[in-house]
Amino acid sequence: EIVLTQSPDFQSVTPKEKVTITCRASQSIGSSLHWYQQKPDQSPKVVIKYASQSISGVPSRFSGSGSGTEFTLTIESLEAEDAAVYYCHQSSSLPLTFGGGTKVEIK
Amino acid sequence: QVQLQESGPGLVKPSQTLSLTCTFSGGSIISGYWSWIRQPAGKGLEWIGRIYTSGITNYNPSLKSRVTMSIDTSKSQFSLSLSSVTAADTAVYYCAASNGSPEFDPWGQGTLVTVSS
Repeated sequence: EIVLTQSPDFQSVTPKEKVTITCRASQSIGSSLHWYQQKPDQSPKVVIKYASQSISGVPSRFSGSGSGTEFTLTIESLEAEDAAVYYCHQSSSLPLTFGGGTKVEIK
Repeated sequence: QVQLQESGPGLVKPSQTLSLTCTFSGGSIISGYWSWIRQPAGKGLEWIGRIYTSGITNYNPSLKSRVTMSIDTSKSQFSLSLSSVTAADTAVYYCAASNGSPEFDPWGQGTLVTVSS
């Protein structure tokens, strides 16, 4: 099973600040890494697919990078509506797995 | 745009079988699969398994002995059965689609299932 380790677990950020979340895979997964945003009492929503591909309707301040075992989700100029828990997910091999999540709080 | 909606009992007794259905509308999956994912309160996401339109299934090994998934395309539904449940199976259960690309999009709104006597 591929284990995804996210860091940090929690981040408190002021509006307009840049946010960087890391997801490390226990073995190489190429670019088969996707990012989700989950707001309180809502289901997750994909914000980046295949490590760096944008999703229609998702603000351009969300971007992703990385390949192999290390990946990054970046939120440029954080807005209040971005407060959420962010999860990474790998689709390289079964079982499909998720990272433990990173909670982003607005100061 | 495909929309998903979970349905089923919100309370299941220990040792019994949890049964949920996901109804999809607004389109169909041309090449992809349907998944079940769960989330205990305040915790992370766990993939339970997936089913293709063909009926082929893949289950998480951690739950494989207790999970069965099925699909009825004529009713635009797919289902999850989880047997011998315990309190550890209490969670919000989501269904999600992967259509031509493996990311989960969209997700259902989720349904809370509590295992308690």
